Amino acid sequence: GNSVTQMEGPVTLSEEAFLTINCTYTATGYPSLFWYVQYPGEGLQLLLKATKADDKGSNKGFEATYRKETTSFHLEKGSVQVSDSAVYFCALFNAGNNRKLIWGLGTSLAVNP
Amino acid sequence: NAGVTQTPKFQVLKTGQSMTLQCAQDMNHNSMYWYRQDPGMGLRLIYYSASEGTTDKGEVPNGYNVSRLNKREFSLRLESAAPSQTSVYFCASRKGLTGGTSGELFFGEGSRLTVL
Repeated sequence: GNSVTQMEGPVTLSEEAFLTINCTYTATGYPSLFWYVQYPGEGLQLLLKATKADDKGSNKGFEATYRKETTSFHLEKGSVQVSDSAVYFCALFNAGNNRKLIWGLGTSLAVNP
Repeated sequence: NAGVTQTPKFQVLKTGQSMTLQCAQDMNHNSMYWYRQDPGMGLRLIYYSASEGTTDKGEVPNGYNVSRLNKREFSLRLESAAPSQTSVYFCASRKGLTGGTSGELFFGEGSRLTVL
């Protein structure tokens, strides 16, 4: 079946540090992959996405590359800011799965000044 | 640009009481979803509606009912609330056409429910 595994948090970094949040998946076929972000007290919003192998999604300085050979979609940012403190969710969408998203459990990131 | 609107934002209930969470989207999306979010458990799908006139169970449907009132509105009802239903509830919508591949969801701000 389809599943998503992401690294457990919480992750605590100092401002301007490098961020990596690991995400690996199991899926049949050719899923699309997503990173969503949830700021405190808000709903989730799409951060970036990739729809096929080797695609790189990017937004707000964050990047993730769809690696089919390692079934991974790791989230990276070169220099985090305090405003990046949030919970990050990796998700998979497979059109064959009744069009539902499969979610990772989320990784909490706290960035200290 | 309202997007997905949920009401109420906060609610406290006593065990056994009933209530309905309302959700409306103004993006002409076909698919709508109700999730609950609990610490350490991520997002769990309660019910979804792939298109107007259809509803289906998700991972955790017990204790809930839904109504897709029209294309815009998708409500979630707790008939007899239990403390285990204390959670944050999110409504989401997706453009989602039959056979479509885009997984982008648009979320409401959430409804925080406490059952005493």
